[in-house]
Amino acid sequence: DGGITQSPKYLFRKEGQNVTLSCEQNLNHDAMYWYRQDPGQGLRLIYYSQIVNDFQKGDIAEGYSVSREKKESFPLTVTSAQKNPTAFYLCASSWTGGEPEAFFGQGTRLTVV
Amino acid sequence: ELKVEQNPLFLSMQEGKNYTIYCNYSTTSDRLYWYRQDPGKSLESLFVLLSNGAVKQEGRLMASLDTKARLSTLHITAAVHDLSATYFCAARGSQGNLIFGKGTKLSVKP
Repeated sequence: DGGITQSPKYLFRKEGQNVTLSCEQNLNHDAMYWYRQDPGQGLRLIYYSQIVNDFQKGDIAEGYSVSREKKESFPLTVTSAQKNPTAFYLCASSWTGGEPEAFFGQGTRLTVV
Repeated sequence: ELKVEQNPLFLSMQEGKNYTIYCNYSTTSDRLYWYRQDPGKSLESLFVLLSNGAVKQEGRLMASLDTKARLSTLHITAAVHDLSATYFCAARGSQGNLIFGKGTKLSVKP
């Protein structure tokens, strides 16, 4: 089945730790995105990538890093510089042309302990 | 810079009633999306609107797009409890990224 897979579903981070959230898609989509959602809030864009080996900062990139070494994969690292990382993280992918419906993964809920 | 505003942010409806959610965007965008989110879950795609005057319908939901007014609407007909969720609209920015509104939390009561 084609789709977009995020892992883990739940993640706990200690203060000062870096953690990496995985996002993999087998839809052959060119573009991939990371969003952050805080309780009762909308989605804010962290990073996005239109092609392999290229990515752009979104509105709230500070304290996060990404890589796009393969078309299928777009991992997000939450670094210790991100002071308030507790949130729900959503990865999405889409084609860049035609009718680019964006599909979302199931999300990772990150909690600082 | 593209901004997307939804209203209302909260909507309490009675079953059987009709209502409309509005989505305004600030600059030209060639695609407008509507998503549904249930509590604790991811986003489910409802509609993608590509052109001025586009109208799409699925069940009790109908979405439309007016690119000249930079306005999309999501109309709910004869609401039922199963439609209770948060609805988001998003517009595509010039770099291909999606910019979301804050969402409309819909509660349908008997």
